[in-house]
Parts: sequence; structure tokens; C-alpha cells
Amino acid sequence: EADIYQTPRYLVIGTGKKITLECSQTMGHDKMYWYQQDPGMELHLIHYSYGVNSTEKGDLSSESTVSRIRTEHFPLTLESARPSHTSQYLCASRGNSPLHFGNGTRLTVT
Amino acid sequence: AQTVTQSQPEMSVQEAETVTLSCTYDTSENNYYLFWYKQPPSRQMILVIRQEAYKQQNATENRFSVNFQKAAKSFSLKISDSQLGDTAMYFCAFMTQNSGTYKYIFGTGTRLKVLA
Repeated sequence: EADIYQTPRYLVIGTGKKITLECSQTMGHDKMYWYQQDPGMELHLIHYSYGVNSTEKGDLSSESTVSRIRTEHFPLTLESARPSHTSQYLCASRGNSPLHFGNGTRLTVT
Repeated sequence: AQTVTQSQPEMSVQEAETVTLSCTYDTSENNYYLFWYKQPPSRQMILVIRQEAYKQQNATENRFSVNFQKAAKSFSLKISDSQLGDTAMYFCAFMTQNSGTYKYIFGTGTRLKVLA
């Protein structure tokens, strides 16, 4: 079944660690997005990609980086996690207009 | 600047009753899309309903319908025959395209609780 997958679902990690949040979709969508969402709050776009080897920063400044080497894969990396990075990270993709979201990764940095 | 405003942070409704969630937006664009997304607790965000701005007819998906007032820049969601499974955060979203860039803007959300 075509869908969008995020791993891990939950992650607790210490300050200073490097982490990569995985996002994969099987729908063949060119456009992929990363949003940051604090609990019960609005979504903020942090990165997006319109295709392979294309990545752009979003509206919210973020210390994370992304890569898009394959159409289906759009990982997000934090080189040195800090408590201020504690949040939920949602990956999304789209073909035509509607966004399709993954389950999210809830990150806690201690 | 384009904005989406959801003025109701929280709402509740009795099971089987009808509830309307409000959303207003601001844009100078003429062609755009509007969406309502549902995010159940600890679960995936899913699309509830979409509306193309060029269509005058209000979109309907089973128990979910919208009241799209383009001149007033209003896009409310009506949930009929509310069910316990409708309990979720609901986000109104606006999408426009400009020079090949597709921009989504989300509202702050409305937390809906359906009471048994």
C-alpha cells in the first residue's frame, strides 16, 4: 500500500548527539516536506524538496539539514542535538495538491 | 502576507450533534486551494476535505462539508452526526503556487472533543 513512513516514532537522546530522522514514501511524489510541530500547535515548514538533488530551507529557521539523493527518501539530520530541538517532526509528500503526512517522530533531547 | 486564522482553540460537541469549525484566510491570490486536515491524538495527520478556489460549489465528503465564502475569505468545516472518532486537532490550510513554488500555510488548529 502506497504511504509515507517515518522512523523512529519516538526518540530520546542526549545533548550533543548526531541524529537522523528517516522519511520514505512509496507514492513516487516529487515534492517532500519537513515540518516542526510543538504539541497541539501549528506546523512550521523547516525544509522542502521538489525533486532529487533539490532542497530548500523553509520559513522556520532550523539547525537541521536534509538530503534528497533518491525520490523516495528525504532524511533530516541534526549534527548536534540540543534541548531546544525537542519537538515533533512531520514529514509530508505530495503529487498534486494534497499533502500526505507520515506518523511523525517525537524527539526529546535531554 | 498570507495568513490562516482559526479563532477557536478548543471546541466540544455531543455525539451525533453538528459542529462547525471556523477558518479565515488572507491572500491577494485568485487561484489557490484550501484544505482541512485532521490529526487524531498520537496519530497520522490526514486530509479531511479540499476546496479549489475557482469552484463555487462547496465540497462535501460524507459527514464533512465546507462553507466556502471566497469574498469573505472564509472556509468553515461542518461535521454532521459527530462521532467519538472525530476527536482530534483540525487544521485549516491554504496552498498557493507562485513561480513554481507551492506554499502551504497552516492555521494554529482547533482541538475538537466529541463527548459521549
